[in-house]
Amino acid sequence: NAGVTQTPKFQVLKTGQSMTLQCAQDMNHEYMSWYRQDPGMGLRLIHYSVGAGITDQGEVPNGYNVSRSTTEDFPLRLLSAAPSQTSVYFCASSHLPGELFFGEGSRLTVL
Amino acid sequence: DQQVKQNSPSLSVQEGRISILNCDYTNSMFDYFLWYKKYPAEGPTFLISISSIKDKNEDGRFTVFLNKSAKHLSLHIVPSQPGDSAVYFCAASENNDMRFGAGTRLTVKP
Repeated sequence: NAGVTQTPKFQVLKTGQSMTLQCAQDMNHEYMSWYRQDPGMGLRLIHYSVGAGITDQGEVPNGYNVSRSTTEDFPLRLLSAAPSQTSVYFCASSHLPGELFFGEGSRLTVL
Repeated sequence: DQQVKQNSPSLSVQEGRISILNCDYTNSMFDYFLWYKKYPAEGPTFLISISSIKDKNEDGRFTVFLNKSAKHLSLHIVPSQPGDSAVYFCAASENNDMRFGAGTRLTVKP
């Protein structure tokens, strides 16, 4: 019973490098989203999607891109990593409306 | 601006007593409120929710209260157990936009 799967769990990047955080869910949820967790800030919404081909910006979208070509997958792309993007990233999915199911998180460090 | 606030970063209670976690919000358009629990190195897990048309929802030891006029939400855990020790996030939703508070670390002492 996989639920929401995020890869990689840990990543270290140098400033200016690009990378993609992968997220896949097997619950046929139409809604998927990405959050970042920073100390004292809670979870902040980066981007979300209500279905394949549909994406929208959340609270802190700058520096991140997303796409939703299938119901199952919702990758998060960092085109040019900055130290301010050092954080723990969580992918989540749900039926609309409903509670979110979260992945285990991806810890990213940008040097 | 932080639309959902948890003003207590931490809370410590004795096993068997009541834990009360508080949350305030500023956006009157929020219509769905949730509490999540998070253990270290894991993703948050859903605990309990309440719609804006209700003022109370119970699920076993967990009860969520909503005071819309005060824009205040609280989670009561009775009785508290050591396994409840975790970080608790409140969240509020308007359409597809869910906002979270900064979290409260609950420690339940045996």
